[in-house]
Amino acid sequence: GAVVSQHPSRVICKSGTSVKIECRSLDFQATTMFWYRQFPKKSLMLMATSNEGSKATYEQGVEKDKFLINHASLTLSTLTVTSAHPEDSSFYICSATSGLFSPHNEQFFGPGTRLTVL
Amino acid sequence: TQLLEQSPQFLSIQEGENLTVYCNSSSVFSSLQWYRQEPGEGPVLLVTVVTGGEVKKLKRLTFQFGDARKDSSLHITAAQPGDTGLYLCAGESRSASKIIFGSGTRLSIRP
Repeated sequence: GAVVSQHPSRVICKSGTSVKIECRSLDFQATTMFWYRQFPKKSLMLMATSNEGSKATYEQGVEKDKFLINHASLTLSTLTVTSAHPEDSSFYICSATSGLFSPHNEQFFGPGTRLTVL
Repeated sequence: TQLLEQSPQFLSIQEGENLTVYCNSSSVFSSLQWYRQEPGEGPVLLVTVVTGGEVKKLKRLTFQFGDARKDSSLHITAAQPGDTGLYLCAGESRSASKIIFGSGTRLSIRP
């Protein structure tokens, strides 16, 4: 149990376009989903926290108009990188928690999405 | 600001050797988790420790939570190439209602 998927796994886009990344909890309902960005050989940087049906909470320094998060259901959250620029190129990872599987708020991570902006 | 410092940042050792990774903070955590991440994949939860002084074993991996619940260690016995990866500790802060990730330890085991 507690499997999280992400789609796409890799995406290459032109500068100025928008890219949507999906995060799904496959076998459980996620009370909260998180979006992280990871730079090469670095730890995870939390971008935002989202709960189903409410607005995402963004970390300091993360532009909410740049990184749009929609948490439409208990099993799906999306991250849209708007007007992408080469500096947005990164590894984006989502995670989810479930009251059932996460008594201590353990997070179950998706496999990540490698975004390359040309 | 709550921080979790991991040491060492990088470690490259020979197969069969033992190693310890440390996770330290000045803050108290309700629980602490250890994750392992392989290149191009998401982190995978290894263990959660909850009680101060708690020790948990997962085959060749031994996890310990400090008595004051501010620090933790991961000890690997007889390391194998399959142990290679980025190890992340993460502290659960009830007061901040969030999980705080450590700076990471990149481990490489040479055959």
